Amino acid sequence: GAVVSQHPSWVICKSGTSVKIECRSLDFQATTMFWYRQFPKQSLMLMATSNEGSKATYEQGVEKDKFLINHASLTLSTLTVTSAHPEDSSFYICSARVGAGETQYFGPGTRLLVL
Amino acid sequence: SQELEQSPQSLIVQEGKNLTINCTSSKTLYGLYWYKQKYGEGLIFLMMLQKGGEEKSHEKITAKLDEKKQQSSLHITASQPSHAGIYLCGAGPQGGSEKLVFGKGTKLTVNP
Repeated sequence: GAVVSQHPSWVICKSGTSVKIECRSLDFQATTMFWYRQFPKQSLMLMATSNEGSKATYEQGVEKDKFLINHASLTLSTLTVTSAHPEDSSFYICSARVGAGETQYFGPGTRLLVL
Repeated sequence: SQELEQSPQSLIVQEGKNLTINCTSSKTLYGLYWYKQKYGEGLIFLMMLQKGGEEKSHEKITAKLDEKKQQSSLHITASQPSHAGIYLCGAGPQGGSEKLVFGKGTKLTVNP
């Protein structure tokens, strides 16, 4: 149980294009999903928290107009990196949980490379 | 803000040896999570500790939270190559799993 998937697992794109990453909870309904970013040899940094049906809450320093998050259903959240630049290249990981105080379960991550 | 420091940063052990990884918090821990990450992959949930003095075990992995709730340790008994990976501790404010803050991780290598 508690499986979270991400798609795609790998994406390479040209600078200036937009990239969408999907995060799905496969066997449970996630009221909250989280998006993290991980740079090489560094830990995960929370980017934003999204609750189904409401606007995402972004962490300080994360541009909400650049990283668009949509949590349209209890099993799907999407992160769109708009007008991607090489500095956006990173490993993006989502997590999902059933409710407040519950454990976060993580997806396998999406590696983004912007050329 | 809360900061988690893990030690050691990396560890190389021979198969069959025991090892311990530590996670020290700058503030009181209300909920401490241990995850394992293989390079370039997502995180696998291992255990969650909440109470001072709490200890949990799963197979050959034991995690403890000290009485003062500022330090946790992860102990692996009779390590195997399958234990290799990066171990991360994460903590949420006031015991919730909101806004988890993570340590930088401990990279474990187990040589056969």
